[in-house]
Amino acid sequence: DAMVIQNPRYQVTQFGKPVTLSCSQTLNHNVMYWYQQKSSQAPKLLFHYYDKDFNNEADTPDNFQSRRPNTSFCFLDIRSPGLGDAAMYLCATSDGTSGGALETQYFGPGTRLLVL
Amino acid sequence: SQQGEEDPQALSIQEGENATMNCSYKTSINNLQWYRQNSGRGLVHLILIRSNEREKHSGRLRVTLDTSKKSSSLLITASRAADTASYFCATPMEYGNKLVFGAGTILRVKS
Repeated sequence: DAMVIQNPRYQVTQFGKPVTLSCSQTLNHNVMYWYQQKSSQAPKLLFHYYDKDFNNEADTPDNFQSRRPNTSFCFLDIRSPGLGDAAMYLCATSDGTSGGALETQYFGPGTRLLVL
Repeated sequence: SQQGEEDPQALSIQEGENATMNCSYKTSINNLQWYRQNSGRGLVHLILIRSNEREKHSGRLRVTLDTSKKSSSLLITASRAADTASYFCATPMEYGNKLVFGAGTILRVKS
């Protein structure tokens, strides 16, 4: 089945120690997103890629970076995690080729990050 | 901000009862979507209603859209314990491939 895969499901890191979260998709979608979601809150968009074009949200801290080496994979790098970065990180994809307003996004299961 | 707002924030009902969640938004939209999120999991797309539609059904789900009031409602009929989850409405940004999510409603269905 076509899907969005995130690894690992749980990640523990130390304060200030760089960490990378990964996402892969078999949907062949050209748009990939990274969201941060804290407890009982809505997902907050960090950035997204339209093909290779990177689109950062204005309020995303510089501590968060992303890489998309190919259509299938996208990585979230947190350069120096702080305690406030502990959250669920969700990857999503969409088919941006249909034009017009965005329709469905497909989400991975998320990676829960714990910062000690 | 185009962000949707949802109410109630939390809803607790007995199995078999109906659950209604509401969403309001601020700007013109092309469509409005509802997503479900089970605890500790990703979001799952439930249903999309277009701006020229007033009502849409999918199984036990019924969504209405009132563009004059900039509001939508999600009705889950004959709820089950497995419906326990958070429910989010989302609207596309006018430009760009982005969705804006509402704050969500936490639904608990007691068996």
